[in-house]
Amino acid sequence: DAGITQSPRHKVTETGTPVTLRCHQTENHRYMYWYRQDPGHGLRLIHYSYGVKDTDKGEVSDGYSVSRSKTEDFLLTLESATSSQTSVYFCAIGLGDNYSGANVLTFGAGSRLTVL
Amino acid sequence: DQQVKQNSPSLSVQEGRISILNCDYTNSMFDYFLWYKKYPAEGPTFLISISSIKDKNEDGRFTVFLNKSAKHLSLHIVPSQPGDSAVYFCAARGSTLGRLYFGRGTQLTVWP
Repeated sequence: DAGITQSPRHKVTETGTPVTLRCHQTENHRYMYWYRQDPGHGLRLIHYSYGVKDTDKGEVSDGYSVSRSKTEDFLLTLESATSSQTSVYFCAIGLGDNYSGANVLTFGAGSRLTVL
Repeated sequence: DQQVKQNSPSLSVQEGRISILNCDYTNSMFDYFLWYKKYPAEGPTFLISISSIKDKNEDGRFTVFLNKSAKHLSLHIVPSQPGDSAVYFCAARGSTLGRLYFGRGTQLTVWP
């Protein structure tokens, strides 16, 4: 087991409210990612991290922010949730060396977010 | 603009026969390709991968073929089993810190 825990697994919220999703890993991996999965779009990268306090944007980062203050935790925040952010969110950790980056990603079980 | 494309949203195959899932990509800088399988209400799980310096990689019933000149890869499952029914995602690794670009997925259904 990869040791990835996402919380909450399910959340329903209202438009305009802040939401934070948490990804916790137990294996001290350097690389962590947040993806969203939507019908017809597959998996799209929101943000990723290559170390504590080192993060960067993915292809659909608007409306999202992230923080990584500890190796084991990667937080995804929706400052003001919108209905377009209704989705399933997956956290992933990457296995790889410092030069080549991550090769295989291991995914968490997902967090289903509904914004009404 | 999608850099990894899976043009078949679904595929239906009889048990015991071969399943062939296809994937095309546009970025010639991709250096590593992966296939993931996803069951409902679970996260994607890694299935098989191939480096851009190879043209074939085999793991049991699963074989991935890479045609760099055509920017095309395919996943072959032989023989197909009902437990293989899932969504299959093709992914390609870019040069930046291991980030993966995913296709939209193909729903494989294997019927008895």
